[in-house]
Amino acid sequence: GDSVTQTEGPVTVSESESLIINCTYSATSIAYPNLFWYVRYPGEGLQLLLKVITAGQKGSSRGFEATYNKETTSFHLQKASVQESDSAVYYCALGDSGGSNAKLTFGKGTKLSVKS
Amino acid sequence: GGIITQTPKFLIGQEGQKLTLKCQQNFNHDTMYWYRQDSGKGLRLIYYSITENDLQKGDLSEGYDASREKKSSFSLTVTSAQKNEMAVFLCASSIGQGAGNTLYFGEGSRLIVV
Repeated sequence: GDSVTQTEGPVTVSESESLIINCTYSATSIAYPNLFWYVRYPGEGLQLLLKVITAGQKGSSRGFEATYNKETTSFHLQKASVQESDSAVYYCALGDSGGSNAKLTFGKGTKLSVKS
Repeated sequence: GGIITQTPKFLIGQEGQKLTLKCQQNFNHDTMYWYRQDSGKGLRLIYYSITENDLQKGDLSEGYDASREKKSSFSLTVTSAQKNEMAVFLCASSIGQGAGNTLYFGEGSRLIVV
């Protein structure tokens, strides 16, 4: 089946350091994968951070970037300089461009703590 | 903007009890979802609904019932609560069910079975 594997947390980094949260996927039943990063800030619901629907493209939001790499089946989340407000749980997700949201596959989530 | 409201935030019940979680959205979205999140695991879909009075089973529907009597609300019932299903339940909605449509989530409801 389809699956998503991401960096096991918790991850702790200091403010202004760089960050990478790894995400790799296996899309055995999906011809055209869509890739997403969702984020859950403390006290809030999960929300979409960024998405990329075309292989080779990069998505960006709030200083975060992720490139959809079909060759390595990866969609790593990166930020050059994190802030304390980035402390949250990050979820990588895999969808089917021709299918339903009901078939979204989520990773387990990576908890990020940014120290000041 | 809109909001998704889940009630209650904490639902405490006894083993074997029938327990209901409620979800309301004011986005006017057609599709609504219930997910379960166990500690250290990804989200798993329990039920979803593509329109009022529609119900579709997800991967984890056994032991649950759902109801979508109005477009704005979607409730989930645990038919017989068990201690091994203590988890956080997340409600979400999207304008349509297609994969290009962004999901909007509530804050979650934690089920505690004593």
